[in-house]
Amino acid sequence: DGGITQSPKYLFRKEGQNVTLSCEQNLNHDAMYWYRQDPGQGLRLIYYSQIVNDFQKGDIAEGYSVSREKKESFPLTVTSAQKNPTAFYLCASSTRTIGDIQPQHFGDGTRLSIL
Amino acid sequence: GQSLEQPSEVTAVEGAIVQINCTYQTSGFYGLSWYQQHDGGAPTFLSYNALDGLEETGRFSSFLSRSDSYGYLLLQELQMKDSASYFCAVISGNTPLVFGKGTRLSVIA
Repeated sequence: DGGITQSPKYLFRKEGQNVTLSCEQNLNHDAMYWYRQDPGQGLRLIYYSQIVNDFQKGDIAEGYSVSREKKESFPLTVTSAQKNPTAFYLCASSTRTIGDIQPQHFGDGTRLSIL
Repeated sequence: GQSLEQPSEVTAVEGAIVQINCTYQTSGFYGLSWYQQHDGGAPTFLSYNALDGLEETGRFSSFLSRSDSYGYLLLQELQMKDSASYFCAVISGNTPLVFGKGTRLSVIA
């Protein structure tokens, strides 16, 4: 079955450490997204990509970086510059980013905590 | 910018009907979507409205009034498994999907 796979499910970061969250999709979607969700909060957009080798900052990009070298993959790096990284991170994909009436498909998320 | 407002919490009795409202401000509006998220899980798509009126999908219906910048999700014959967070999201021609903060629905016996 087609879908989005995020790994790991749980991740712990030490002070000053960069960590990378994996997101892979086999839906043949052009667009991919990373969201951050804090308890009792909605989804805030970190980065999104409309096509391979291109990505755009979302509302809360500071302290994060991404790459899109392959259509299927959109890894997110949480850098040491992100001082409050503890959150639930969700990856999503869709056919395109702007004016897309088709639903976004989400992975099961990665829960990141600070040690 | 874009903004969405929805109630933070709603409680309803099993078997009853509940309505979750969403008002939005945006430019280049295309439509309004609704997503469901159970605790610790991934959001899943429920419905989409581009035109005014009611869209029905089983026990769930969604309504849109473009002139009022308002929509709602209607859940009928509530079941305990409907306890979850529900997010409205605006689709526009300018930006990717923008989500509201979510409404936590608690279904009680």
